[in-house]
Amino acid sequence: DAMVIQNPRYQVTQFGKPVTLSCSQTLNHNVMYWYQQKSSQAPKLLFHYYDKDFNNEADTPDNFQSRRPNTSFCFLDIRSPGLGDAAMYLCATSRAGLGDNEQFFGPGTRLTVL
Amino acid sequence: EDQVTQSPEALRLQEGESSSLNCSYTVSGLRGLFWYRQDPGKGPEFLFTLYSAGEEKEKERLKATLTKKESFLHITAPKPEDSATYLCAVQNTGTASKLTFGTGTRLQVTL
Repeated sequence: DAMVIQNPRYQVTQFGKPVTLSCSQTLNHNVMYWYQQKSSQAPKLLFHYYDKDFNNEADTPDNFQSRRPNTSFCFLDIRSPGLGDAAMYLCATSRAGLGDNEQFFGPGTRLTVL
Repeated sequence: EDQVTQSPEALRLQEGESSSLNCSYTVSGLRGLFWYRQDPGKGPEFLFTLYSAGEEKEKERLKATLTKKESFLHITAPKPEDSATYLCAVQNTGTASKLTFGTGTRLQVTL
């Protein structure tokens, strides 16, 4: 089945220790997104890639970076995690074009910062 | 700035007790309104996209409707397996792919 895969599902890191979260997709979608979701809150878009073009949200902290080496993979790098960065990180994909606007989400990575 | 407000925050129903969830939105130009279901500890699961006022879509016990200011998710004769958080999101014609989400309605269906 075509899907969005996130690894790891659970990640524990220490305050200030860099961490990388991974997302891969078999849907062959050209747009990939990273969202942050804290408990009982709405998912908040951090940035997205339209093909190779990176689009950063204005309020995304510089601490968050992303890489997309190819169509299938996208990474979220948190350079110096703080306690406030503990959250669920969701990767999503979509196929840009008229009528094809649905975003399909992975299962998420739960990040704990000690 | 696009805004999405969902109500109620939480809803408890008995099995078979139909109800509706509300999603009010403000957006300069609506490209689409989306409903997702999210189970605890999991990613959102796509349910429906609505594009224009008057549009309706159905899937099993769920029916989504859209007006120019709000959308409703009607749940008919719910079952315990319908328990989840239901998220509404809007996409603006001016911001292409971006979705703005509401905080969701947490639905619990009991026997």
